[in-house]
Amino acid sequence: EADIYQTPRYLVIGTGKKITLECSQTMGHDKMYWYQQDPGMELHLIHYSYGVNSTEKGDLSSESTVSRIRTEHFPLTLESARPSHTSQYLCASSPQMSSYNEQFFGPGTRLTVL
Amino acid sequence: TQLLEQSPQFLSIQEGENLTVYCNSSSVFSSLQWYRQEPGEGPVLLVTVVTGGEVKKLKRLTFQFGDARKDSSLHITAAQPGDTGLYLCAGGGQGGSEKLVFGKGTKLTVNP
Repeated sequence: EADIYQTPRYLVIGTGKKITLECSQTMGHDKMYWYQQDPGMELHLIHYSYGVNSTEKGDLSSESTVSRIRTEHFPLTLESARPSHTSQYLCASSPQMSSYNEQFFGPGTRLTVL
Repeated sequence: TQLLEQSPQFLSIQEGENLTVYCNSSSVFSSLQWYRQEPGEGPVLLVTVVTGGEVKKLKRLTFQFGDARKDSSLHITAAQPGDTGLYLCAGGGQGGSEKLVFGKGTKLTVNP
């Protein structure tokens, strides 16, 4: 069983609010990822990190930012939420030793911006 | 352009039936992973296939990687309601990248 947690599970907020989506894993994985998932669409990579103080933007342009100060923690922040940010956000991690980048996913945060 | 095409997009069958879902690409991948995602949860890894022509079995699930490593299939024998979920394929190593490329998924419903 993967030990990767996301909070909150559901969030409904108004436009313009600053929000932080939390992601923590207790497996000691170096690699962590944030994906955006919309119904009927592929998972899109928006940010990733290969270790502490390492962050990169993914393939899908996103107005969010991330930080990686501790191995186990990879929060995602939106400075000013907009309705276009409404989506499911999935956090994942992968051990450095995984040859094929197999990923363990958290349960997701369903974000709705009104 | 979508790199990984999954078909069918939706599949609704009765308990006990067999089914096959497909994951196709024009690109070569060094590995192909299958995940299952249940409503309100994150995807869970089922299997990774890495060799062209490879077949892996997981109880009633059979996974195959195409000889050219461009496509894969998932066959379920005697489907059960517990098999209901979104089946995602993900390709790795395309163009030398470590990042995974996901398909849109096949949403399977198994009716009792």
